[in-house]
Amino acid sequence: DAGVIQSPRHEVTEMGQEVTLRCKPISGHDYLFWYRQTMMRGLELLIYFNNNVPIDDSGMPEDRFSAKMPNASFSTLKIQPSEPRDSAVYFCASSPDPAHPHPYNSPLHFGNGTRLTVT
Amino acid sequence: RKEVEQDPGPFNVPEGATVAFNCTYSNSASQSFFWYRQDCRKEPKLLMSVYSSGNEDGRFTAQLNRASQYISLLIRDSKLSDSATYLCVVPNFGNEKLTFGTGTRLTIIP
Repeated sequence: DAGVIQSPRHEVTEMGQEVTLRCKPISGHDYLFWYRQTMMRGLELLIYFNNNVPIDDSGMPEDRFSAKMPNASFSTLKIQPSEPRDSAVYFCASSPDPAHPHPYNSPLHFGNGTRLTVT
Repeated sequence: RKEVEQDPGPFNVPEGATVAFNCTYSNSASQSFFWYRQDCRKEPKLLMSVYSSGNEDGRFTAQLNRASQYISLLIRDSKLSDSATYLCVVPNFGNEKLTFGTGTRLTIIP
C-alpha cells in the first residue's frame, strides 16, 4: 500500500490567494483527519470525516477554511483567502477505526504533510 | 488542566544515558494511550501503544499511572538515532478524536 498521499509537498503563496491541499487516504480506511502543526501550538485537529461525512469541524479556525471529501479516496482542505498566520505544516491522516485500533497498530496513519508558507 | 500536557524540553542527553519524560492528561475516562515519534520535517509515527499499566519494547518502556493521570516514556541506553520529538497521544473516550501533546524534543549528544 502506498500509504496516505498528500499534495503538494510545499506551497508558497501570497496573502489573499486561495490554497488547496489534497489528500488520498489509505484504501479501506473509513476515517480521514486533517491536522495543522505549528511550533507554538503543536498538532491541532482541524476536522475529521467518517465515511466521507464531516463529523467534527470544531477545530477549523474560521470561515476561511473549508474541507470536503467527495469520495472515499480523496479529500481537500481549502483556505480562501490565505493569511500569513496560516503558515504551517498540514497533515492528513487516515484510519480504519481510531477508537478501536488493533493492538500495537497505529490508530492514525499520516501522510508526509504539506508545508504551507503564506507571504 | 490542558487535555494533554508535555514538558517541551529540549532534553539534551549524552549517548548511553537513560532519559524519561512524562505526559499528563485530563480525561480520566481515556483507556488507551500512545507515544508517537516525529523526526525533523517528517510525519509522526507510532512508537508505542500503552494499554493497562504499561509495556516494554526493547530499550523503551511506557508506563501508565491512572491515579495521577500521567503516562511516561523511558529510554535506556540512548542512541544518537533516538534524537526526535516525542508526542503523547490521548483519545477522547468513546469517540474517534485523538489529542496530541505539543511534544518533547530530545537530542542525544555524542
